[in-house]
Amino acid sequence: QVQLVESGEGLVKPGGSLRLSCVTSGFTFSVYYMGWVRQGPGKGLEWVAYISGDGGAMFYADSVRGRFTISRDNAKNSVFLQMSSLGAEDTAMYYCGRWNTGFDYWGQGSLVTVSS
Amino acid sequence: EIVLTQSPGTLSLSPGERATLSCRASQSVRNNYVVWYQKKPGRPPRVLIHAASSRAPGIPDRFSGGGSGTDFTLTIASLEPEDFAVYYCQQHGGSWTFGRGTRVEVK
Repeated sequence: QVQLVESGEGLVKPGGSLRLSCVTSGFTFSVYYMGWVRQGPGKGLEWVAYISGDGGAMFYADSVRGRFTISRDNAKNSVFLQMSSLGAEDTAMYYCGRWNTGFDYWGQGSLVTVSS
Repeated sequence: EIVLTQSPGTLSLSPGERATLSCRASQSVRNNYVVWYQKKPGRPPRVLIHAASSRAPGIPDRFSGGGSGTDFTLTIASLEPEDFAVYYCQQHGGSWTFGRGTRVEVK
């Protein structure tokens, strides 16, 4: 069965960095775009970034471009989100998802809290 | 950027009633690439509809999507207790965007 398991959540100081990981199983990983979506406290969903199956194309929301980097390791069936220059506005639950004309499978969520 | 405006913000209905949710785009969505999700607290989103009107696998047929161009709807034919949640539309015809959501609550 398809599974996405996230790790790397935590508390980080403003200006700091954090790396989220999402390890997948149960499907041919390299065929699918993968992405990250977040939901801040009391807010709606916001897409953050997504990456093509071969890793050759990455796309970012304006709010994170230049600060966040999405990458993947197809040999390890994993996708990553490197976050830097974090601010309070980045505090959110982050979800990785498999893209299939919609995010059809999701990780359990990783809570990122930016606070001094 | 395509802005998605969802209305109403909150829908107060009773189980068994019909829910009609609107998602209006600021410009035409290419190929009607609109997705609907259900979101409950503490859980990841659940995809309901893709390409505006195609039900995702395993989604009950009381959920249906429609519309084209700039106006899209999600209809829940007869609300079940587990359907009370927040619903989001997303477009991926251009740079991706989500709407701000419609909360369906128990009246």
